[in-house]
Amino acid sequence: SQKIEQNSEALNIQEGKTATLTCNYTNYSPAYLQWYRQDPGRGPVFLLLIRENEKEKRKERLKVTFDTTLKQSLFHITASQPADSATYLCVLAGANNLFFGTGTRLTVIP
Amino acid sequence: DAMVIQNPRYQVTQFGKPVTLSCSQTLNHNVMYWYQQKSSQAPKLLFHYYDKDFNNEADTPDNFQSRRPNTSFCFLDIRSPGLGDAAMYLCATSRDLRGSQETQYFGPGTRLLVL
Repeated sequence: SQKIEQNSEALNIQEGKTATLTCNYTNYSPAYLQWYRQDPGRGPVFLLLIRENEKEKRKERLKVTFDTTLKQSLFHITASQPADSATYLCVLAGANNLFFGTGTRLTVIP
Repeated sequence: DAMVIQNPRYQVTQFGKPVTLSCSQTLNHNVMYWYQQKSSQAPKLLFHYYDKDFNNEADTPDNFQSRRPNTSFCFLDIRSPGLGDAAMYLCATSRDLRGSQETQYFGPGTRLLVL
């Protein structure tokens, strides 16, 4: 089955800097990959989806890349704000399965 | 504007006492999912309904059951909760099955505590 690794359990950065979160997977390349945000005690909220034939996707201050050769997705938040502090989940989808990473907890320090 | 609603937000039950968690949606989505999430872990899919078709994950314990009486509502029944069942239970919906590139909309979750 698919194994997903998100770079670190926790990441602290200074406000205004760019946060970069990494998602690596081990087996087959998924048809698409999603990133969700989860705040403590809340359900995940969808942020971005990128398909296997897309290199990059942007939404406001968010950018996702997808490299099927490296089996890696990078999630960037530019001009980070304390309100961006949350856990970010990488989610991979294949034909009939959905795999969640354990997430990276991002803290943006004012 | 609530789209996926879960009640209650917090549920306390006793060891072995049956408990039911509820989920409703206003999105008219075909698929409803139940996930279990423990602290610092990824959400774990328990089962899903595609319309009225029930799909159980292979490693979901028999202690967990689900009902979907209509499109809008879905219930999670835990027949005999154990201490290890204490977790956040998340309900999610999608327009179609996950393999069809559909994003999932999650409810706020129900935090279950087993005493």
